[in-house]
Amino acid sequence: GEDVEQSLFLSVREGDSSVINCTYTDSSSTYLYWYKQEPGAGLQLLTYIFSNMDMKQDQRLTVLLNKKDKHLSLRIADTQTGDSAIYFCAESIGANQAGTALIFGKGTTLSVSS
Amino acid sequence: GAVVSQHPSRVICKSGTSVKIECRSLDFQATTMFWYRQFPKQSLMLMATSNEGSKATYEQGVEKDKFLINHASLTLSTLTVTSAHPEDSSFYICSASPIPGSEDTEAFFGQGTRLTVV
Repeated sequence: GEDVEQSLFLSVREGDSSVINCTYTDSSSTYLYWYKQEPGAGLQLLTYIFSNMDMKQDQRLTVLLNKKDKHLSLRIADTQTGDSAIYFCAESIGANQAGTALIFGKGTTLSVSS
Repeated sequence: GAVVSQHPSRVICKSGTSVKIECRSLDFQATTMFWYRQFPKQSLMLMATSNEGSKATYEQGVEKDKFLINHASLTLSTLTVTSAHPEDSSFYICSASPIPGSEDTEAFFGQGTRLTVV
């Protein structure tokens, strides 16, 4: 079945760049997402990328998609202590239109030290 | 952006009682809503797809008689955990999908409900 894998922990210093990696299995996924979850809170959409794109930049966030290798990454430039959270990679189920159910990775806990 | 409101945010109930969680789309109509469950330090797992005006579709391993879903209107879906037990304690999150044809690409999530069964 479909699966999304990501590393569990990442620790960086304030001001450095953070790169969170993710691999997925469903090649028909139309959209791939990055969500942020702070302790005890719901999910906040950070950014998404359509499967026919290979890069998307949004302020401090850069998403790279390698569709051949089914690899997705999220780069956070100038990481701040407020970026400390759990980051989830998610793919849309199948080649459906947007806004469908998602399959999530286990989440990467980003710890930013000052 | 669009807002999905989930209520309550936290609930503690006694073992054997039932708990209802509401998921509302505040500024758009949603023919489809999704219910997820998240165990501590785990990912979100899709439990069921709630379809307005028809029966919910449950994922494998999810008991439909235990997790009752009602999607009675285009802005409200409810999840009722019946005869709750401590192992049902978890974080439940809903998401709502706009009516098909919308150009929105985002799955809008509620704030989540922390259920503790004692």
